[in-house]
Amino acid sequence: AQSVSQHNHHVILSEAASLELGCNYSYGGTVNLFWYVQYPGQHLQLLLKYFSGDPLVKGIKGFEAEFIKSKFSFNLRKPSVQWSDTAEYFCAVSSSNTGKLIFGQGTTLQVKP
Amino acid sequence: NAGVTQTPKFRILKIGQSMTLQCTQDMNHNYMYWYRQDPGMGLKLIYYSVGAGITDKGEVPNGYNVSRSTTEDFPLRLELAAPSQTSVYFCASSYLTNWDTGELFFGEGSRLTVL
Repeated sequence: AQSVSQHNHHVILSEAASLELGCNYSYGGTVNLFWYVQYPGQHLQLLLKYFSGDPLVKGIKGFEAEFIKSKFSFNLRKPSVQWSDTAEYFCAVSSSNTGKLIFGQGTTLQVKP
Repeated sequence: NAGVTQTPKFRILKIGQSMTLQCTQDMNHNYMYWYRQDPGMGLKLIYYSVGAGITDKGEVPNGYNVSRSTTEDFPLRLELAAPSQTSVYFCASSYLTNWDTGELFFGEGSRLTVL
C-alpha cells in the first residue's frame, strides 16, 4: 500500500540548533512532494514543494528539503531553528498513480528559547 | 479574501446524532477536500471533489457523505455520529490537482467530539 512515514514524532531542540526531519514514502512511479506546517492555533500552510528539477528545494523561513529518489526520501532541514518554528510538520506525497495527496503522521517540533 | 472558511469550529455530539460541517471557499477553486486529523495519524482524506456535481471517496469515507452543488461549498455530513468520528476535520481547496503541484489551502479546522 502507498504510505508516507515520518520517523520523528516529537522533536525538542534549543534555539540555534540544526533541524532535520525525516520523511520516507513508498510509491511507484513519479511523485510530487510537499512539506506543510501547522503553527499553534493556525491552519496548515505550505512550507515547500518539489515536483521536478533541482532535488534541493528551498521554502519559506529558511527551510529546505532534499529529494533523494534512490532512498525514497524527502527530508526537511533548517540550519538554525528559532522559537517561532515551534509547530507540527507534515510531509505529503502525491503520485501519478493516484493523484491524491497522502500525508505522513506529522512531527511535533518544540523549540526551547 | 477569506480563503477557506469552516463552521463550526467546535461541536460536541451525542452518539447517533447527525450534523453537517460547512466549508466554503472564495478562491474559485475547482478542487475541494475533506481530511480528518487524529493524533499520531496525520491527515486522512475522507472525500474530495474535482468540481461542482462531482465527488469521490478518499481513504476513510465510511460514515460520511458529501455534496458539491456549487463551486464554493463542500459540506461534510455525519449521519449517525460514532465515538470513532471524534477528530479534527479540515477542509481544503486547490486550483490545480495535487498532481499538477497545486497547493492546498486549508481552513482552520473543526474539532468534533462524539460522546
